[in-house]
Amino acid sequence: NAGVTQTPKFQVLKTGQSMTLQCAQDMNHEYMSWYRQDPGMGLRLIHYSVGAGITDQGEVPNGYNVSRSTTEDFPLRLLSAAPSQTSVYFCASGRGFTASPGPNEQFFGPGTRLTVL
Amino acid sequence: DAKTTQPNSMESNEEEPVHLPCNHSTISGTDYIHWYRQLPSQGPEYVIHGLTSNVNNRMASLAIAEDRKSSTLILHRATLRDAAVYYCILRDLAGNEKLTFGTGTRLTIIP
Repeated sequence: NAGVTQTPKFQVLKTGQSMTLQCAQDMNHEYMSWYRQDPGMGLRLIHYSVGAGITDQGEVPNGYNVSRSTTEDFPLRLLSAAPSQTSVYFCASGRGFTASPGPNEQFFGPGTRLTVL
Repeated sequence: DAKTTQPNSMESNEEEPVHLPCNHSTISGTDYIHWYRQLPSQGPEYVIHGLTSNVNNRMASLAIAEDRKSSTLILHRATLRDAAVYYCILRDLAGNEKLTFGTGTRLTIIP
């Protein structure tokens, strides 16, 4: 299994440009999510999905869109990049509570380091 | 969401045990205690979780206080590879998958 993969690893954008961060998992996980991590901070939840066709907002959703058309993929779109979106972005997946009693571990990708000039 | 409190940083000598504390005085009866760690320039990785009883796995042990208001992650024999930021996170049983990360404890291992 490749686990959770993210592309690209690094990206530089100019203010106002749009782009899509890709996330894919091959573990057949229902739950997927996107976090951002600013320097010296913990991770903050942007958007999450509990299954194909279902998405919801996290703590910091403004400026980002997501969709979940397949179980495997969960892309994150920046509509009009701003310098405040300079951060490291992590995608995560997990089987979800319904898979077995109690919470299950989540698996994180290696991250995408985004700089907006 | 119930909040956790951890020291900002800790140091430990290589090959010695490390005890990482976490306070969660407002924990509810349905909250699981999770620990994740983040190695430099990597995404977080799961370490261990528990509800009431102490737990052991190949990576670490989790000791949970009887009143559940605090817990301790124990690394039995720290190696340089254990240098990371360790996050203590509460997750409720109501089906909420969301992980709320604080700033964690930065563990430095001294060779």
